[in-house]
Amino acid sequence: GDQVEQSPSALSLHEGTGSALRCNFTTTMRAVQWFRKNSRGSLINLFYLASGTKENGRLKSAFDSKERYSTLHIRDAQLEDSGTYFCAARRGGNYKPTFGKGTSLVVHP
Amino acid sequence: NAGVIQTPRHKVTGKGQEATLWCEPISGHSAVFWYRQTIVQGLEFLTYFRNQAPIDDSGMPKERFSAQMPNQSHSTLKIQSTQPQDSAVYLCASSTRQGALGNTLYFGEGSRLIVV
Repeated sequence: GDQVEQSPSALSLHEGTGSALRCNFTTTMRAVQWFRKNSRGSLINLFYLASGTKENGRLKSAFDSKERYSTLHIRDAQLEDSGTYFCAARRGGNYKPTFGKGTSLVVHP
Repeated sequence: NAGVIQTPRHKVTGKGQEATLWCEPISGHSAVFWYRQTIVQGLEFLTYFRNQAPIDDSGMPKERFSAQMPNQSHSTLKIQSTQPQDSAVYLCASSTRQGALGNTLYFGEGSRLIVV
C-alpha cells in the first residue's frame, strides 16, 4: 500500500529555535495535509496543500508532488508548540488519506 | 459551521457490552472517515464512506465492528461484545471535493471509549 514516511519521530527544541518535519511518499500524491494533535487526541488542521507552499505565523509548509515529499517548518518555537504533528497524503480519487506515524515535538525553555 | 460532531465524548462500557458511536459530518461534506487512536498503535484507519456508500473498510476488524451511514447527516460505528483492547479515542472526519480546499479532512473531537 501507499507509504508515508514521517521524520523525525521525535524532536526536541529550545524555545526560539526552529526545525523541519518531513514526510516522504512512496508514490505520487495529489495533496498533503498537516495536523497537530490536541490535548483531547483530536487532530487540528494546520495546512492543506495541493502544491507549493503555505505559511501561517511561525509555521510554513511545502509540498512537492513530483519529488514526493512535504515539509513543515517551525520557526521561533514556543512552549505551546509542543505536541504531536502528523502529515496525511492523498492520491486522489477514492483513495483514503495515508497518515505518517507522527512527530512528537517537545519545546524546552 | 459547527464542525464535525461526535457523540458521546466519553463512554465507559463493561466488557462484552455493545458500544455505538455517532458522527455528524459537516453539512455538505460527501465523505466520512473513521479512525481509531491509541498510544500503542497510533492512528489507525477503520473505514470510509462517500455519498453514504462504503468505499474502503480495509481497516475494520472483521468481527464485532460495523459502520453505517444511513443518511448524509450521520454515520455510526458499532462495536459488539467490546473488549479492553477496543479502548481508544475514535475519531471521525469529513471532507468534500468542492473548492480549492477540497479533500481537506476535518476531524471531530473524538469519542473516548473505555472498556472495563
